[in-house]
Amino acid sequence: DTEVTQTPKHLVMGMTNKKSLKCEQHMGHRAMYWYKQKAKKPPELMFVYSYEKLSINESVPSRFSPECPNSSLLNLHLHALQPEDSALYLCASSRLQGYEQYFGPGTRLTVT
Amino acid sequence: TQLLEQSPQFLSIQEGENLTVYCNSSSVFSSLQWYRQEPGEGPVLLVTVVTGGEVKKLKRLTFQFGDARKDSSLHITAAQPGDTGLYLCAGEWGSGTYKYIFGTGTRLKVLA
Repeated sequence: DTEVTQTPKHLVMGMTNKKSLKCEQHMGHRAMYWYKQKAKKPPELMFVYSYEKLSINESVPSRFSPECPNSSLLNLHLHALQPEDSALYLCASSRLQGYEQYFGPGTRLTVT
Repeated sequence: TQLLEQSPQFLSIQEGENLTVYCNSSSVFSSLQWYRQEPGEGPVLLVTVVTGGEVKKLKRLTFQFGDARKDSSLHITAAQPGDTGLYLCAGEWGSGTYKYIFGTGTRLKVLA
């Protein structure tokens, strides 16, 4: 099973809302990632968790707050987002940090 | 500074033609991955190349890793409309940083 699942598939939220994106994998991978992808651009790394600890934060604004409750789950909490945060948010996992990654289908986020 | 440059950026070809996509860097990578991404979906892992000079084949796709492990190529033989998508190379950059970076992407369209 090489599946990474993400929910929801689509999300529309206002600038004052609080929402969360969820990601799950059952491959026993110990590294999980959040990426942001704008249209016609490659994915941009946001956060990396390794063994449930935050390993890399690519200077992401604090309105994005990651959480890794256990080795299978990764959340991204969203608060007071801006319209320019609208994008496809991708979750990925890998056996260990830096290894080949397996991606979920993404959450299409629209901030109104 | 973009660490992984892909060329061409865009490619539109007729069904049955051959094509090559290049992924170049001035840095050495311990391994490189190639992904294909369709609109609104997450990238799908195609292959990992690890050894300098390595050649891997996946049906009509041939992947090569440069001898110095600074570049890679993807060759598609007899392209089909189903090959249409965004092709991304990616890899772990830098020793000990564990930063995974994506190339600039090549958008391929195969016309029937």
